[in-house]
Amino acid sequence: AQSVTQLDSQVPVFEEAPVELRCNYSSSVSVYLFWYVQYPNQGLQLLLKYLSGSTLVKGINGFEAEFNKSQTSFHLRKPSVHISDTAEYFCAVSDPQGAQKLVFGQGTRLTINP
Amino acid sequence: GAVVSQHPSRVICKSGTSVKIECRSLDFQATTMFWYRQFPKQSLMLMATSNEGSKATYEQGVEKDKFLINHASLTLSTLTVTSAHPEDSSFYICSASQGANNQPQHFGDGTRLSIL
Repeated sequence: AQSVTQLDSQVPVFEEAPVELRCNYSSSVSVYLFWYVQYPNQGLQLLLKYLSGSTLVKGINGFEAEFNKSQTSFHLRKPSVHISDTAEYFCAVSDPQGAQKLVFGQGTRLTINP
Repeated sequence: GAVVSQHPSRVICKSGTSVKIECRSLDFQATTMFWYRQFPKQSLMLMATSNEGSKATYEQGVEKDKFLINHASLTLSTLTVTSAHPEDSSFYICSASQGANNQPQHFGDGTRLSIL
């Protein structure tokens, strides 16, 4: 079975500061990893994904994430945040050999303060 | 590309009413669609997986007769909440995928269901 832990339920950051949202996973098999963003009363939008290859993945809106197999982590980073980045962020894993089911973390609420 | 449309965005109805939610992939063929439920300030809980032309696979604890899922075409899946009660009030989100395991799921904007 797979599981995802997002260590921080809330992260407040000042505008233009860097941010890191932490994600750790547990799996007995190789995984695909995803970060999604959810704005209020909306569905989820894919930020980036790791399938294979380079461990540093660049996504939309200036976000990037690094896959660290030894630490079973996939932390999301952005060097300079904007007010518009205020949202809920979800890390998710899936089994490459499975039925595309996504297992989500609990979510991290990112709040950008002016 | 990869747009998923979910309708309606919000429903308010009386207890005992059945409610149908539609999920459409607008610019791709979705061999697999997923239905999630999200409680306030919580993560998404997978309810069921539906493949075009076959019966949906429900997650443990999800009542099949309560949440009817139909995936009649490669672009449309529907979730019907039958005889809805206040405890069924929630945010329901669908997603669609082109089927290959390395393809991401694309999400609709969700349906806020409120049962009075």
